[in-house]
Amino acid sequence: QKEVEQNSGPLSVPEGAIASLNCTYSDRGSQSFFWYRQYSGKSPELIMFIYSNGDKEDGRFTAQLNKASQYVSLLIRDSQPSDSATYLCAVNLDSSASKIIFGSGTRLSIRP
Amino acid sequence: EAGVAQSPRYKIIEKRQSVAFWCNPISGHATLYWYQQILGQGPKLLIQFQNNGVVDDSQLPKDRFSAERLKGVDSTLKIQPAKLEDSAVYLCASSLGQPYNEQFFGPGTRLTVL
Repeated sequence: QKEVEQNSGPLSVPEGAIASLNCTYSDRGSQSFFWYRQYSGKSPELIMFIYSNGDKEDGRFTAQLNKASQYVSLLIRDSQPSDSATYLCAVNLDSSASKIIFGSGTRLSIRP
Repeated sequence: EAGVAQSPRYKIIEKRQSVAFWCNPISGHATLYWYQQILGQGPKLLIQFQNNGVVDDSQLPKDRFSAERLKGVDSTLKIQPAKLEDSAVYLCASSLGQPYNEQFFGPGTRLTVL
């Protein structure tokens, strides 16, 4: 089992709709969770991080964490064509060593 | 605040040649990471430094890859000799560390091995 799993996509969502991206992780001791956006040919850009169960909102983005189910998700409201990118889920597996593992990413395409 | 700097941005070499990449982290960030990202995959951690000490290098191919972080600031990653499968983007990231360990990435170096 991979440590961090994401559906590779592509996920196609109409403009203005909600895009929902999901990630599962294997280590129950994981402490913090990150969502990065990566445009083609660019480096990852941090969008949000979450460390407590529940929801965390920042503008059009909402991160959701359920540690019991080992599941973290990212919702993008009012999707825009500029949101088309690969979204990487990353997990801090070991808080003492700051080791972070990335999923393989989900490609999101917003269609006008 | 200046971001993570990397150079060169692009490098093309023949197999069996050597190459070196340089990274300057965000000022004050004690933790520095080198990742390898192959097209279509997520970044794979090669080595992690805390100040100038190695925290994790379990996935670094030590027969050909080496890295150092002298004085706990800048870092270099070297490949010698390069193989075709080393073609990838090499990303450097830095963070303040705990408790949340948010990482910030440099622009990356795209390596092509012919």
